[in-house]
Amino acid sequence: GENVEQHPSTLSVQEGDSAVIKCTYSDSASNYFPWYKQELGKRPQLIIDIRSNVGEKKDQRIAVTLNKTAKHFSLHITETQPEDSAVYFCAAGGGPSGGSYIPTFGRGTSLIVHP
Amino acid sequence: EAGVAQSPRYKIIEKRQSVAFWCNPISGHATLYWYQQILGQGPKLLIQFQNNGVVDDSQLPKDRFSAERLKGVDSTLKIQPAKLEDSAVYLCASSLLQQETQYFGPGTRLLVL
Repeated sequence: GENVEQHPSTLSVQEGDSAVIKCTYSDSASNYFPWYKQELGKRPQLIIDIRSNVGEKKDQRIAVTLNKTAKHFSLHITETQPEDSAVYFCAAGGGPSGGSYIPTFGRGTSLIVHP
Repeated sequence: EAGVAQSPRYKIIEKRQSVAFWCNPISGHATLYWYQQILGQGPKLLIQFQNNGVVDDSQLPKDRFSAERLKGVDSTLKIQPAKLEDSAVYLCASSLLQQETQYFGPGTRLLVL
């Protein structure tokens, strides 16, 4: 099955700095890679996703890059704000049939943005 | 649109007791997921339904956990008997199709004493 490693487990930055979270995956058949933000005591919410036919995707201050050869993908947050403080999870899954998606999540990164 | 609904929100039971969780996905969503999230870890997929069929249940401890989605809409997850290590948040999520955005419910926080 798929194995997803996520680093770092904790990331502390100053407001306005950039933050980068990295994930690696093991199954070369995986083709869908979402990122979720989970605030304390709340449910995970999708913030951005990328599919294997795209190398990079951007949405305002958030971007995700995918390197299929190296089997890793990264979340980039620019101009961080205190409200970005949360736990971020990556996930990977999918298969050659195209429609299937059995997600495996990383262990999470606790991002702390200091004002 | 209404979100994913789950009940109960909290449950405290003693080990060896049984417990059931209920999930109502977003209307029209064919795919339904049950996850177990232990404190400090990422969600772990327990079972995934596509309509009323099981797509994957490879990580479901079938000796004590069961789940069903009989009419392809609501779903229930049951634990019988519960163990201390089952203490976790049980999240239900749904998506229109696989590889589409998953919407999570508020979760059920289970404490097994």
